[in-house]
Amino acid sequence: NAGVMQNPRHLVRRRGQEARLRCSPMKGHSHVYWYRQLPEEGLKFMVYLQKENIIDESGMPKERFSAEFPKEGPSILRIQQVVRGDSAAYFCASSRDRGSEQYFGPGTRLTVT
Amino acid sequence: EDQVTQSPEALRLQEGESSSLNCSYTVSGLRGLFWYRQDPGKGPEFLFTLYSAGEEKEKERLKATLTKKESFLHITAPKPEDSATYLCAVQAVDGNEKLTFGTGTRLTIIP
Repeated sequence: NAGVMQNPRHLVRRRGQEARLRCSPMKGHSHVYWYRQLPEEGLKFMVYLQKENIIDESGMPKERFSAEFPKEGPSILRIQQVVRGDSAAYFCASSRDRGSEQYFGPGTRLTVT
Repeated sequence: EDQVTQSPEALRLQEGESSSLNCSYTVSGLRGLFWYRQDPGKGPEFLFTLYSAGEEKEKERLKATLTKKESFLHITAPKPEDSATYLCAVQAVDGNEKLTFGTGTRLTIIP
């Protein structure tokens, strides 16, 4: 009965490096969402994907951030040339259908030094 | 733009002391209102979905209610293990699945 899985749980990167965050949705779920939680702020929507398609990326920063959900394998959130302001907890969620509840993973805590 | 405001920011209760958390929202058209619980260092845990004014959902010591402008999470006779941050989120009819979250209420139950 595996839930949403994310790895790594903690990631430390130096400024200018790349960060790759992985998310495996719950079994039977084909909708994936990424959210970011900055210290003392609420969860902010970043992107919504289905297999091989980006449906809504209205919350993604215009530069350095990208996301994919390939036909096989986990969804990937990629941050290029990280800066200190990218330090946050990144959560992935999945749902079975459009409009159904989203279940969250444990998050990846990114620290940029 | 969709907005969610939660109050209070923090709440300390004695064990057994019932209270309510508030979630006020503005949204172009509400598809659903969601309540989550988040423990420190963990991801949000789904609690309830409410779809229309007047709807109520219950789970153990928690009951969620919905009006056209706000939702309440009532907690009855809470226990220390109910201590957590409670998050409210809305999903708009035309929002393409995204959830808009409030900043949460940090609830502490004192034994």
